[in-house]
Amino acid sequence: GQNIDQPTEMTATEGAIVQINCTYQTSGFNGLFWYQQHAGEAPTFLSYNVLDGLEEKGRFSSFLSRSKGYSYLLLKELQMKDSASYLCAPAAGNKLTFGGGTRVLVKP
Amino acid sequence: DTGVSQDPRHKITKRGQNVTFRCDPISEHNRLYWYRQTLGQGPEFLTYFQNEAQLEKSRLLSDRFSAERPKGSFSTLEIQRTEQGDSAMYLCASSLPKTPESGNTIYFGEGSWLTVV
Repeated sequence: GQNIDQPTEMTATEGAIVQINCTYQTSGFNGLFWYQQHAGEAPTFLSYNVLDGLEEKGRFSSFLSRSKGYSYLLLKELQMKDSASYLCAPAAGNKLTFGGGTRVLVKP
Repeated sequence: DTGVSQDPRHKITKRGQNVTFRCDPISEHNRLYWYRQTLGQGPEFLTYFQNEAQLEKSRLLSDRFSAERPKGSFSTLEIQRTEQGDSAMYLCASSLPKTPESGNTIYFGEGSWLTVV
């Protein structure tokens, strides 16, 4: 079964840092994806973690702890265009299961 | 454009009518997925194909829903006798083999919005 928990909404100021936490309980877990989705658009790939630790990719970083069933997405130097929903998606078997998404609002 | 394409992008239909959505995946991708997304929620898995074989279906996919991928390329999702609760965005996605377990990502189309009135 799948159980994914992430905050519904977060607000931050332009230039700041925001951390989006995700906890999951997933059978057959084989990695975790983060996607970004702007309103009315398709989700787009941000990051993938399969091993414990931090993966850094420009202003975005993602962390995974498999033993704790925990991941976070870190957004640094926030820009207005980062206002979007961020979807935590544990992978199991041949598919991704998505959390409800965290809507991030970046204010000037 | 070589991304995942979906048609139509928007559909308004009366309750009880049938609707069909089409998805054309990225050409070299043999896996194709259908998801459904409602406002404020994440995408929910419906079904997935590897080539022409439908390998998994969610319990969300009631008897009124049917998906096909006859030649292992494009796919169709048909909803019969639509209900107001079917109103959602239907997302198609495709990927290379051994996704996601190999870390290959799933690429989404822009979605088909369905409104049942």
